Amino acid sequence: TQLLEQSPQFLSIQEGENLTVYCNSSSVFSSLQWYRQEPGEGPVLLVTVVTGGEVKKLKRLTFQFGDARKDSSLHITAAQPGDTGLYLCAVTFTNAGKSTFGDGTTLTVKP
Amino acid sequence: GAVVSQHPSRVICKSGTSVKIECRSLDFQATTMFWYRQFPKKSLMLMATSNEGSKATYEQGVEKDKFLINHASLTLSTLTVTSAHPEDSSFYICSARQPLAGSLYEQYFGPGTRLTVT
Repeated sequence: TQLLEQSPQFLSIQEGENLTVYCNSSSVFSSLQWYRQEPGEGPVLLVTVVTGGEVKKLKRLTFQFGDARKDSSLHITAAQPGDTGLYLCAVTFTNAGKSTFGDGTTLTVKP
Repeated sequence: GAVVSQHPSRVICKSGTSVKIECRSLDFQATTMFWYRQFPKKSLMLMATSNEGSKATYEQGVEKDKFLINHASLTLSTLTVTSAHPEDSSFYICSARQPLAGSLYEQYFGPGTRLTVT
């Protein structure tokens, strides 16, 4: 059983469209991170959410942590080709010391 | 954000030889680093946790004698792929853990190393 379920797995949209990707689990997390990875490069940390119900904005990206701290969403407004990449969510369990990653959402934004 | 470097970025080696990959935290000290392997169009697979001054902790199914990890200082961890074979060809990525608040941490990743074994 996959601990973190990311959906959709693949997403191809036109420039200017909005989109939301999800990261879900049945477990409660102490924190959750979102990363973006471009081909041939390492993942880049976008945000860390800690508090249930927390909403963080990073330019056109809006991140939300579920009230129960079991899920999160990433919403992109007016997507651009530069947003293309693999979006990964990751969680860290208290006292576990290591992170678990979802399978990722591959986003392609066409000009 | 914190910066993590990896060297080399690409390496091609012959089957049977060993390859060392370095991971450095450039602007912070990291008592804990992680090594991941990533297959094409797949997510990250944790191989091992590298702890400064102690033995690495390997994930189930990862051969510790094949993937040697050394974390001799607070800014450097190395992964040596011994007796490499073509099936070891992959994208290897390291990360370094930095405290966030309380018992929470953030991970910062290196740019990855593309290993090709011929």
